[in-house]
Amino acid sequence: QKEVEQDPGPLSVPEGAIVSLNCTYSNSAFQYFMWYRQYSRKGPELLMYTYSSGNKEDGRFTAQVDKSSKYISLFIRDSQPSDSATYLCAIGRGGAQKLVFGQGTRLTINP
Amino acid sequence: DTEVTQTPKHLVMGMTNKKSLKCEQHMGHRAMYWYKQKAKKPPELMFVYSYEKLSINESVPSRFSPECPNSSLLNLHLHALQPEDSALYLCASSQVGIGEQYFGPGTRLTVT
Repeated sequence: QKEVEQDPGPLSVPEGAIVSLNCTYSNSAFQYFMWYRQYSRKGPELLMYTYSSGNKEDGRFTAQVDKSSKYISLFIRDSQPSDSATYLCAIGRGGAQKLVFGQGTRLTINP
Repeated sequence: DTEVTQTPKHLVMGMTNKKSLKCEQHMGHRAMYWYKQKAKKPPELMFVYSYEKLSINESVPSRFSPECPNSSLLNLHLHALQPEDSALYLCASSQVGIGEQYFGPGTRLTVT
């Protein structure tokens, strides 16, 4: 079993839709959770960082962590064509510098 | 400022060449990382430096040689690479022991 599972997609939605991206993980020792956005041939850009269960909102983006279910989500409201990218979840343990990445979900927002 | 810079953006090298990739950050981070990323795959950790000392080497072949001259700079020296080493090489930095890593734009390496 992989430490982090993420559906690679591809996922295609119309402009303005709410997008839900998800990852599950297997080790309850993981403490912090990140979402990165990566455009083609560019480096990953940190979108959201959370350290606890619950929701964190930043503009059109909401990150949700459910530690009891070992499940994390990223919601994108009012999706725009510029949101078309690969979204990577990344999970880590306190004091450890190795992140475990999901496989990435390729998202396309259609105008 | 959350910027990590990398040079060059693109590099083409033969299997007998020696070249270096460079990375710089000015966020005061004391942990720096090298990752390798193949197409449609997540980044794969190669090396971690903490306080300018190598703390993690993910069993990377010796044809890749990292160097951390100071707390802001990270180099990756390349020698006798193979075509399968062609990939996007990413540098990242973070506070030591804290999860959020900031990535640079990457160097796209092609080995011919």
